[in-house]
Amino acid sequence: DSGVTQTPKHLITATGQRVTLRCSPRSGDLSVYWYQQSLDQGLQFLIQYYNGEERAKGNILERFSAQQFPDLHSELNLSSLELGDSALYFCASSRRESPGELFFGEGSRLTVL
Amino acid sequence: EDQVTQSPEALRLQEGESSSLNCSYTVSGLRGLFWYRQDPGKGPEFLFTLYSAGEEKEKERLKATLTKKESFLHITAPKPEDSATYLCAVQASGGSNYKLTFGKGTLLTVNP
Repeated sequence: DSGVTQTPKHLITATGQRVTLRCSPRSGDLSVYWYQQSLDQGLQFLIQYYNGEERAKGNILERFSAQQFPDLHSELNLSSLELGDSALYFCASSRRESPGELFFGEGSRLTVL
Repeated sequence: EDQVTQSPEALRLQEGESSSLNCSYTVSGLRGLFWYRQDPGKGPEFLFTLYSAGEEKEKERLKATLTKKESFLHITAPKPEDSATYLCAVQASGGSNYKLTFGKGTLLTVNP
């Protein structure tokens, strides 16, 4: 158990809909990272927050947004969903601002029909 | 742009048959190279961090090594429980140093 909690574990929705994925980092970790994993692309970095502030952005679509709350949990919002958004979405946390060793949650599997 | 290429994509070994996985990388200044293990349906689990060429790290049957262009994960006398996908990632020392760039992984299967 990494100590990182993600909900929901599975989500099935339709094209055009909006979903929110939630992540609680390990106790004491200030950084939260979101990654997308698909079969053909591997793990792709989306966005990082450190102590409530956005620190880095990867190839995150404009339809996607995230935030980190004062209690350090984070949410990833995916809107106007398309079939190609079907993937595993992982949250990871680390103690420092720079990643180093990341602790990953078990992921949220999103299926868009 | 940082790039990580892992080979082979898949590797099947018999129990006790030692082998190596390769990770080639291109990065504008390496801050760190990381190895993770991922079991089906789970998130990646951290194994090693390497920071400079010549460095080696060991854990049970696994040993990771680093050169200026690539890293190897050596698996000695593997057991079926070593079956997993092994991921390599790099962290650059430049402006993009808040992310890890991952390779697509090597799927290792160890048969009893």
